[in-house]
Amino acid sequence: DAGITQSPRYKITETGRQVTLMCHQTWSHSYMFWYRQDLGHGLRLIYYSAAADITDKGEVPDGYVVSRSKTENFPLTLESATRSQTSVYFCASSSPISFFGQGTRLTVV
Amino acid sequence: KNQVEQSPQSLIILEGKNCTLQCNYTVSPFSNLRWYKQDTGRGPVSLTIMTFSENTKSNGRYTATLDADTKQSSLHITASQLSDSASYICVVSPGGGADGLTFGKGTHLIIQP
Repeated sequence: DAGITQSPRYKITETGRQVTLMCHQTWSHSYMFWYRQDLGHGLRLIYYSAAADITDKGEVPDGYVVSRSKTENFPLTLESATRSQTSVYFCASSSPISFFGQGTRLTVV
Repeated sequence: KNQVEQSPQSLIILEGKNCTLQCNYTVSPFSNLRWYKQDTGRGPVSLTIMTFSENTKSNGRYTATLDADTKQSSLHITASQLSDSASYICVVSPGGGADGLTFGKGTHLIIQP
């Protein structure tokens, strides 16, 4: 199916573990984004990418790493998960209207 | 600092009634303003996108207005349905590129039968 797909949809991990959230889009949009959504904060930009091999920090990048070796994939890695990273994470691609994935609900215990 | 303020934070109305959601922004420069609908547990979905020169845009029962002079936008929902229960997010873009979006915190709308 065409669109933007995130996996997993739900993830529970322990503090200190590394976890990677996957994002795949089928449109070949140049821009891709990772956001986190928390109560009281709305959507906040973590990282974005303008093209393959080009990434840049957003508003809240600390503790996260991204890569974009292929246009269609934009994984987000939490190198050492902390409880403050418990959140719902959304991936988006832009044409320039942003299309969002279904989200990944991450709980760090 | 670029900001997008939405009001009210939450709203409960009866099915069939109309409602209007507000969005004020201080983003500068301004390129376009978007309204998204986010159902519980799902990603936001675009409803409308308006550029500086557009005053109003409709998408079915949703009508968005934009006053670029006062930096205000509204989203009017006509003849509400239960499926309109969702969060509505106002998003402002400062430039022609796809980055740099500023999000409002959303209005949580509940439609009661």
